[in-house]
Amino acid sequence: GAVVSQHPSRVICKSGTSVKIECRSLDFQATTMFWYRQFPKQSLMLMATSNEGSKATYEQGVEKDKFLINHASLTLSTLTVTSAHPEDSSFYICSASQQGSFWEQFFGPGTRLTVL
Amino acid sequence: QKEVEQNSGPLSVPEGAIASLNCTYSDRGSQSFFWYRQYSGKSPELIMSIYSNGDKEDGRFTAQLNKASQYVSLLIRDSQPSDSATYLCAVNAPGSSASKIIFGSGTRLSIRP
Repeated sequence: GAVVSQHPSRVICKSGTSVKIECRSLDFQATTMFWYRQFPKQSLMLMATSNEGSKATYEQGVEKDKFLINHASLTLSTLTVTSAHPEDSSFYICSASQQGSFWEQFFGPGTRLTVL
Repeated sequence: QKEVEQNSGPLSVPEGAIASLNCTYSDRGSQSFFWYRQYSGKSPELIMSIYSNGDKEDGRFTAQLNKASQYVSLLIRDSQPSDSATYLCAVNAPGSSASKIIFGSGTRLSIRP
């Protein structure tokens, strides 16, 4: 149980384009989903928290107009990196938790974004 | 002071020995504690959760929690080369509006044959 998928696993795009990443909880209803970014040899950085049907809560320093998050259902959240630039190249990882689960988070496999 | 602190390592342990990973946290109100394993280039994988003082064992893994000392540890018995990874300690963030957990920066563990 507690399987989270992400798609795509890897994406290469040109500077200025937008990229959408999907995160799905496959066998449970995720009341809350989280989006993290991780640069090489660095720790996880929480970007935002989203609850189904409501606006995402962004961490300080994360531009909400650049990183659009939609959590339309209890099994799907999307992150759109708008007008991507090379400095946005990173490993983006989503996680999901279920209400009443004592804050356990289950991670998707991650999406490696490279912006040329 | 960081909210969740771990020694970054690397911690080198011979194969078959016990690896001991430690973590301290700053918020006494925290109630949930987690250990994640992250292989290079992969996402974190939850390996242990612990919620009450004492030990919790799962196979070769034992998590230990001491709330009075604000200390949580992970023991790996009979260490295998496949245990070589970065181990992340995580603690729930009381007072946050969402179910956030705070991650330490991780301890890199290397099991030498």
